Amino acid sequence: KQEVTQIPAALSVPEGENLVLNCSFTDSAIYNLQWFRQDPGKGLTSLLLIQSSQREQTSGRLNASLDKSSGRSTLYIAASQPGDSATYLCAPLQGGSEKLVFGKGTKLTVNP
Amino acid sequence: EPEVTQTPSHQVTQMGQEVILRCVPISNHLYFYWYRQILGQKVEFLVSFYNNEISEKSEIFDDQFSVERPDGSNFTLKIRSTKLEDSAMYFCASSVRWAPLGNEQFFGPGTRLTVL
Repeated sequence: KQEVTQIPAALSVPEGENLVLNCSFTDSAIYNLQWFRQDPGKGLTSLLLIQSSQREQTSGRLNASLDKSSGRSTLYIAASQPGDSATYLCAPLQGGSEKLVFGKGTKLTVNP
Repeated sequence: EPEVTQTPSHQVTQMGQEVILRCVPISNHLYFYWYRQILGQKVEFLVSFYNNEISEKSEIFDDQFSVERPDGSNFTLKIRSTKLEDSAMYFCASSVRWAPLGNEQFFGPGTRLTVL
């Protein structure tokens, strides 16, 4: 059964810092992996999808990497802003399945 | 930009009552999903739906749950007899193609279900 762990659980940084959020998963048989942000009491906003055959995917200040064989993905946020404050979730798409399996997320606070 | 919409945003019901949660997926999407998130816990998959059939369901999705696409735009989740433990945020999602082919799942804003 796929288990997804995100470290750290919470992170507080000053505005302008570059930061890395980590995601690990136990079953490397995945089709792809999505990163989402969730604002308090709100839905999930898809940030990036990275295919299992890709190593990296970029969107603006965000860069996601994937090392499928070691069961790891990272989300790099450059030049963080207070508006980046949210919970970030990673979710691999399980092989042989259509379901995303979510971690508990990393709660990011960017202080002005 | 097209988005998934869900109604109502908040539903309060008494234990044992039936509820129907509604979703309007993005218009050209063919694959539909329900997930839920109990407060403070992970988002969990419930069911996927394609071509008017359930294509996959989790162990959570028991006989108390059903899904339907009653017309060309709506996608519904029905809980027949709600329990206290059904209290959660329910998210609808959709994708253009079969997700393993590489399409993102796009999520709605959620319906918060509170069972008293």
